[in-house]
Amino acid sequence: DAEITQSPRHKITETGRQVTLACHQTWNHNNMFWYRQDLGHGLRLIHYSYGVQDTNKGEVSDGYSVSRSNTEDLPLTLESAASSQTSVYFCASSERWNNEQFFGPGTRLTVL
Amino acid sequence: AQKITQTQPGMFVQEKEAVTLDCTYDTSDPSYGLFWYKQPSSGEMIFLIYQGSYDQQNATEGRYSLNFQKARKSANLVISASQLGDSAMYFCAMRGGLSGSARQLTFGSGTQLTVLP
Repeated sequence: DAEITQSPRHKITETGRQVTLACHQTWNHNNMFWYRQDLGHGLRLIHYSYGVQDTNKGEVSDGYSVSRSNTEDLPLTLESAASSQTSVYFCASSERWNNEQFFGPGTRLTVL
Repeated sequence: AQKITQTQPGMFVQEKEAVTLDCTYDTSDPSYGLFWYKQPSSGEMIFLIYQGSYDQQNATEGRYSLNFQKARKSANLVISASQLGDSAMYFCAMRGGLSGSARQLTFGSGTQLTVLP
């Protein structure tokens, strides 16, 4: 069955370190998204991609970057981790931009 | 800018009863879509139901239905015959139809539903 996976599921890191969160989907979806979830804020969009070599900034993109070198993967990089980036991160994909999005299981990131 | 408001931080319902979770939205886009997602305590996000702004009928998916009132800009989720497994956080989300960032999902802050035995 097609799926979307994230790794690691849990990560503890220190302030200032570079961190990369992986997202891999086997749906063959062109559209991929990264969100963060914090209490009281629901999910907020970090970055998104409509296809290979396409990346766009979302609502809360400062301090994050993504790259899209193939259809299946959209890694999220925190260039220099900050305590404010402690959160749960979700990756999602959709077949078309106006379809429902399918979410990965999430990555809990703690920045000390 | 798009905005989604869920005014009920927490709701309780007795098992086997129906419950309505409120969602209001604001957009100037004539074409938009409304989504509901469920997030159980295990953390995953599960898509439940979708309503397009031009859809004539209210969407239904099994025990879930969406009470779409366009003039009031509301898209309430109705769960019939609640089950203990329905206990979860529920998020309303909207995407616009214009290009760029308006096409992306904007989420509400969620409603925590607890089903009582």
